[in-house]
Amino acid sequence: AQKITQTQPGMFVQEKEAVTLDCTYDTSDQSYGLFWYKQPSSGEMIFLIYQGSYDEQNATEGRYSLNFQKARKSANLVISASQLGDSAMYFCAMREGRDSGYALNFGKGTSLLVTP
Amino acid sequence: EAGVAQSPRYKIIEKRQSVAFWCNPISGHATLYWYQQILGQGPKLLIQFQNNGVVDDSQLPKDRFSAERLKGVDSTLKIQPAKLEDSAVYLCASSSRPGINRDPYEQYFGPGTRLTVT
Repeated sequence: AQKITQTQPGMFVQEKEAVTLDCTYDTSDQSYGLFWYKQPSSGEMIFLIYQGSYDEQNATEGRYSLNFQKARKSANLVISASQLGDSAMYFCAMREGRDSGYALNFGKGTSLLVTP
Repeated sequence: EAGVAQSPRYKIIEKRQSVAFWCNPISGHATLYWYQQILGQGPKLLIQFQNNGVVDDSQLPKDRFSAERLKGVDSTLKIQPAKLEDSAVYLCASSSRPGINRDPYEQYFGPGTRLTVT
């Protein structure tokens, strides 16, 4: 079963607008971590933001914030004031607990295009 | 601090040939991961090492893929013989405890090796 679901294959947003990228997850662990990575066309995976399952406040990192709704098992990424350089693939990932070895499970990604 | 190094960055081979990829993790990182990312998909874990021992290789196609991490530092991933469906980017990542203000198991990714099998 898919552990991370990203339902938006592609998204468009105008420069300076905010955009939300959706992510839902499936786990029975109590302790887990949720991540968002950006992958530009050059291919490197760039860490954006992290949310721990026990964190009570939504994570924020500059223009990135994570809308964490634990009961709904969703961890949406919000990018405020989009910039042309934000155009890239965005991956949501989950790290589960000890039994899974702490490796990351990735979603299929969302392609974001920021237009002028 | 130097990041995760991978080589080569690009490789083109014909099917049935062999290929090897190399990864040098961040100094001191005990855990090393190899992921396969097929075009249009998210990365998928192939194998995870803790020091020089294998933690998880359940998704590694062992009939053709092999990996080793001698001395618990550098790692090599080999494909022999390659198939067309092995065309992908192979990402190496490493992580370490103790944690920082992020997830204690945060992974740092290398630039990847793009493999094309013709």
